[in-house]
Amino acid sequence: AQSVTQLDSQVPVFEEAPVELRCNYSSSVSVYLFWYVQYPNQGLQLLLKYLSGSTLVKGINGFEAEFNKSQTSFHLRKPSVHISDTAEYFCAVTPGYSTLTFGKGTMLLVSP
Amino acid sequence: EAGVTQFPSHSVIEKGQTVTLRCDPISGHDNLYWYRRVMGKEIKFLLHFVKESKQDESGMPNNRFLAERTGGTYSTLKVQPAELEDSGVYFCASSHNSGAEAFFGQGTRLTVV
Repeated sequence: AQSVTQLDSQVPVFEEAPVELRCNYSSSVSVYLFWYVQYPNQGLQLLLKYLSGSTLVKGINGFEAEFNKSQTSFHLRKPSVHISDTAEYFCAVTPGYSTLTFGKGTMLLVSP
Repeated sequence: EAGVTQFPSHSVIEKGQTVTLRCDPISGHDNLYWYRRVMGKEIKFLLHFVKESKQDESGMPNNRFLAERTGGTYSTLKVQPAELEDSGVYFCASSHNSGAEAFFGQGTRLTVV
């Protein structure tokens, strides 16, 4: 079985500041890792994913994440956030690219 | 190309009533998944269809929940009778095959009062 921990339920940040959303996971097998974003009144959208290869993964809207196997982490980062990045972000894992195990989500609140 | 579509977007029902949620996957996607997010909790897997067959229904909370996918196209999730703890957002996702990325719908927000 897998589990995902998103350590922060809310992250307030000012526009143009950098941000890091933390994600740690637990699994007895190798997993694929994902970050999804849910903008207000919209569905879940895939931000980026790690399947194999380079541990630094770049996604849409300027986001990137780094897979750290020894620390079982997959933290999401953006060097400069915009108001439009205000959304809820979900980290998820799957052992075989099928059913996903999600974290509780982190609400990113960007203010001017 | 149309994405995953869910109906209704919101539903408010009284405890004890029946509600049916519908999901139309992306055309040609054999795999269809239902997930649920109860307020303040994580998004949890409910079940997985491959075409019209239930591949995995280990996440279904109890026998008040019935999912169907007749003909391998759209799917319905019926809750009967609804209880207060069934309130939450129900997400549907579909993928072309089990090894492919899943695309999510906008979700149905169910409120049981």
